[in-house]
Amino acid sequence: ETGVTQTPRHLVMGMTNKKSLKCEQHLGHNAMYWYKQSAKKPLELMFVYSLEERVENNSVPSRFSPECPNSSHLFLHLHTLQPEDSALYLCASSQDRNSGNTIYFGEGSWLTVV
Amino acid sequence: SQQGEEDPQALSIQEGENATMNCSYKTSINNLQWYRQNSGRGLVHLILIRSNEREKHSGRLRVTLDTSKKSSSLLITASRAADTASYFCATIDGGGSARQLTFGSGTQLTVLP
Repeated sequence: ETGVTQTPRHLVMGMTNKKSLKCEQHLGHNAMYWYKQSAKKPLELMFVYSLEERVENNSVPSRFSPECPNSSHLFLHLHTLQPEDSALYLCASSQDRNSGNTIYFGEGSWLTVV
Repeated sequence: SQQGEEDPQALSIQEGENATMNCSYKTSINNLQWYRQNSGRGLVHLILIRSNEREKHSGRLRVTLDTSKKSSSLLITASRAADTASYFCATIDGGGSARQLTFGSGTQLTVLP
């Protein structure tokens, strides 16, 4: 138990569906992250939120839309995804965005786009 | 470009043996971290070594850092089947605008009982 909870753990969706991934952290952290992990590829940082403000967006397609309503919750809204978007999506948090902080990961949400 | 790169990509050893994984990086760093990931799960932080440190221990883990060679190694002593996992190094650049932890592709370690 890392203090970062992701739901759902598994999601299968069609290319025309709209779904959301949810992340909640119980660590009192101020920074939250979405990472994408595809087979045999390095972890890709998608979004960074610091104090509920998006501070990083690594050229992620607009079909992925993050939302951070407060410092404890982070969502990833999914719309008209492609099969190549199938991957493990990892949420993470850290005390803040300063260098040297340990990042705490959730267990991930396995997404399959059919 | 990717900062940390682990070597080897895959390693298979017998229980009780030591496992050594290496990480090379390209630019100056503030610190280097090692994470572990069990299959299909999230990453778990193992150890952090700062740029002014050369060696650090935590239980059966020993991490070294050579900033002149821009490399780090993770040694797991007396390995167990439960150590089977992927191991990643991650770095944050040394510049004042450090923004993100960059991960390598990982080393898949298999410890055979």
